Amino acid sequence: GQNIDQPTEMTATEGAIVQINCTYQTSGFNGLFWYQQHAGEAPTFLSYNVLDGLEEKGRFSSFLSRSKGYSYLLLKELQMKDSASYLCAASDSNYQLIWGAGTKLIIKP
Amino acid sequence: GAVVSQHPSRVICKSGTSVKIECRSLDFQATTMFWYRQFPKQSLMLMATSNEGSKATYEQGVEKDKFLINHASLTLSTLTVTSAHPEDSSFYICSAAAGGITEAFFGQGTRLTVV
Repeated sequence: GQNIDQPTEMTATEGAIVQINCTYQTSGFNGLFWYQQHAGEAPTFLSYNVLDGLEEKGRFSSFLSRSKGYSYLLLKELQMKDSASYLCAASDSNYQLIWGAGTKLIIKP
Repeated sequence: GAVVSQHPSRVICKSGTSVKIECRSLDFQATTMFWYRQFPKQSLMLMATSNEGSKATYEQGVEKDKFLINHASLTLSTLTVTSAHPEDSSFYICSAAAGGITEAFFGQGTRLTVV
């Protein structure tokens, strides 16, 4: 079956770095997405990886290893506004998005 | 990025009535639109996928006669919750994609409360 696993909750300190991991199993693979979702709002796009390696975009970076079925989202210089849920989603052979349950990130001062 | 507008953002309706939610792609042609629902503290659950001009494909367990989806044009899809019940209260989100390959853009979501 198709499955996405990511931690339920993580806590980090303002100004620090946090890495949110995601493992996936899909029928075919057409890329891995990361979305940020604040409570009560729709998700907003953060990153898309389809090739192995690290993609850096400002304070956020995303990594993909296709052979391991593994991705992570790296957030640097954490700010209080980064407190949100982070959703990992993999695109399968039909370009359907398989969603993880989301990781709630709590930032403490 | 592209803009997807979802309306209304919040709606309260009486049990037994129907509610229509609109999803519009404002600056691109959306060949595919997705409808999700999300319960508190849970991830997105895909309800159905609709392609312009054809019938929507519903996920297992989603009643197609209860959740009517129309994708009549490349910029508009609607979800109608018919004979709404309190258990239908949820956050409904649409997303739109052009070509279905990479990024899907999300609407703002609709908070439906059935009383």
